Amino acid sequence: DIQMTQSPSSLSASVGDRVTITCQASQDISNYLNWYQQKPGKAPNLLIYDASNLETGVPSRFSGSGSGTDFTFTISSLQPEDIATYFCQQHDNLPLTFGGGTKVEIK
Amino acid sequence: EVQLLESGGGLVHPGGSLRLSCAASGFTFSSYAMTWVRQAPGKGLEWVSIITSSAATTHYADSVKGRFTISRDNSKNTLYLQMNSLRAEDTAVYYCAKGGPVILSYFDYWGQGILVTVSS
Repeated sequence: DIQMTQSPSSLSASVGDRVTITCQASQDISNYLNWYQQKPGKAPNLLIYDASNLETGVPSRFSGSGSGTDFTFTISSLQPEDIATYFCQQHDNLPLTFGGGTKVEIK
Repeated sequence: EVQLLESGGGLVHPGGSLRLSCAASGFTFSSYAMTWVRQAPGKGLEWVSIITSSAATTHYADSVKGRFTISRDNSKNTLYLQMNSLRAEDTAVYYCAKGGPVILSYFDYWGQGILVTVSS
């Protein structure tokens, strides 16, 4: 199975800060990496697919990059509505696997 | 507008069974793979099972293999998850999600989730 190691597990930042989350795959997954946002009590919401493609309707302050085993998710300017937990997920191979999540809070 | 609506959750005793349903609308259901993902209380996301658009192929996480069965009825735009021999560790919110035209894809729409509690 492909293990997805996400870091940090939590972070606290100020409104307007640049926030970066990393996700490392245990083997090469090309660009088959997605990022989801999950707000408390809600279902996950797709933000970025195939490492760097912004899902329709998602604000441009969200971005993703990387390929192979190392990936980065960035919020260029943190907004209060971005308080959530963020998960990476690989779809290179079965079983599909998720990172452990990063909880983002406002400082 | 794409909508996915889960039903069938609830409280069940260990060893019991439950069938979840996911009613889909707003897209051509028969053209897309569908999946179930679960989330134990306070934990992360765990992929459970996936089924191809035609229902020809299914795959399962090792944790549920042999106990859960995924199926779909494309004439009713509905996805199912039959869960047998339930264990306490199956307690979670279960989400259905829409995949792509092939199994290995991202999930662009999710249901609101349904809680399954396995407890005596």
